[in-house]
Amino acid sequence: AQSVSQHNHHVILSEAASLELGCNYSYGGTVNLFWYVQYPGQHLQLLLKYFSGDPLVKGIKGFEAEFIKSKFSFNLRKPSVQWSDTAEYFCAVNRAGNNRKLIWGLGTSLAVNP
Amino acid sequence: GAGVSQSPSNKVTEKGKDVELRCDPISGHTALYWYRQSLGQGLEFLIYFQGNSAPDKSGLPSDRFSAERTGGSVSTLTIQRTQQEDSAVYLCASSLTGQGNIQYFGAGTRLSVL
Repeated sequence: AQSVSQHNHHVILSEAASLELGCNYSYGGTVNLFWYVQYPGQHLQLLLKYFSGDPLVKGIKGFEAEFIKSKFSFNLRKPSVQWSDTAEYFCAVNRAGNNRKLIWGLGTSLAVNP
Repeated sequence: GAGVSQSPSNKVTEKGKDVELRCDPISGHTALYWYRQSLGQGLEFLIYFQGNSAPDKSGLPSDRFSAERTGGSVSTLTIQRTQQEDSAVYLCASSLTGQGNIQYFGAGTRLSVL
């Protein structure tokens, strides 16, 4: 069965620090990869996605992620975090086909101290 | 246009009662998904609709859970004889069908079973 593993459950950083959140998935076929973000009191929003092509994808708010197929990884990065990046971050995977149900990691809670 | 709308936003019920949760997807979105977000469990897929049919119900945790979709639009998730372990945030997402389409999420219904 497909599964998604996020390595960091809680991360605390100071503003301007660099961020990298790990995500690994288990599935040998063609996958689509996503990072969603949930700011306090808000609903889930798409941060970035990978479907095909350039494995380095850029999303909103300066985030980027790199798909490394050989490592089954899709790590999220940001060079310099801001207090407003405080949120819960979720990595998710689905397969090609009509049923695109998302399989989720457990999430990473990021707190950025001003 | 409006996003995905869910109602009620909060629901408190007594153990053993039935509850209905409603989802209004984005207009024109043919695919609709229900997920559950529980403390310590992360996000779990419940059911997928394509139009009015549900080709994948594999995530429904028990036969107390059912869902329907009418007119290719509104969906209702029903939980019969609620149990305390049903307490969670129930999320609905909708998308267009086909490669590359993104799921847009509602704000969720927070269900508390006392």
